[in-house]
Amino acid sequence: SSELTQDPAVSVALGQTVRITCQGDTLRSYYASWYQQKPGQAPLLLIYGNNNRPSGIPDRFSGSNSATTASLTIAGAQAEDEADYYCICRDISGIHFWLFGGGTKLTVL
Amino acid sequence: QVTLRESGPALVKPTQTLTLTCSFSGFSLNINGVALSWVRQPPGKALEWLGLIDSDGDKYYNTSLKTRLTIAKDASKNQVVLKMTNLDPVDTATYFCARIYPYSGSGEVYDYWGQGTAVIVSS
Repeated sequence: SSELTQDPAVSVALGQTVRITCQGDTLRSYYASWYQQKPGQAPLLLIYGNNNRPSGIPDRFSGSNSATTASLTIAGAQAEDEADYYCICRDISGIHFWLFGGGTKLTVL
Repeated sequence: QVTLRESGPALVKPTQTLTLTCSFSGFSLNINGVALSWVRQPPGKALEWLGLIDSDGDKYYNTSLKTRLTIAKDASKNQVVLKMTNLDPVDTATYFCARIYPYSGSGEVYDYWGQGTAVIVSS
């Protein structure tokens, strides 16, 4: 199907590791990129391609890909990591051209 | 330094046409593989892809909205314009423009975003 599915909400204890996933058939053919969005701000690119981080993104953020699932891992979550996280990917079906995940709200406890 | 900035009206009446401008700097939209996309986000909801225009001037639109959307570029001014017709209160959202850049071996990436412009559709 032409969609990207994310869990609506995930929580993690301060300093622990959390994985946020994104599922979709198109991920067999295209890399997802990952974005962090805090209230009132634009999305910020975190991860693209096969686990590439733009300059300035802490190395506690990492990405991985397996078949139809892309994952964003935050190792040692910090309070400032509480945010919404989105995956974005090209649509292999060509119907929608680009697909956006529904977002995952991360709560740091 | 890549920057993008959206501008346009904050309040639009139902049935009217919305015109938003994305002014960008630090890159050229004439570079092969580069595109500029529009994305919106209703209050408290997820991001929604609207469409894009690429370096060849080709345009692609959200299939659900394509009859209402027009994207055009003015390369000389480094601007891209989004027009959306027949506005409805459900179109109330923050509208973002973002650059899509082809990273070798990594595909196309939405790497830079504007800060967004909030639009309310109300009579």
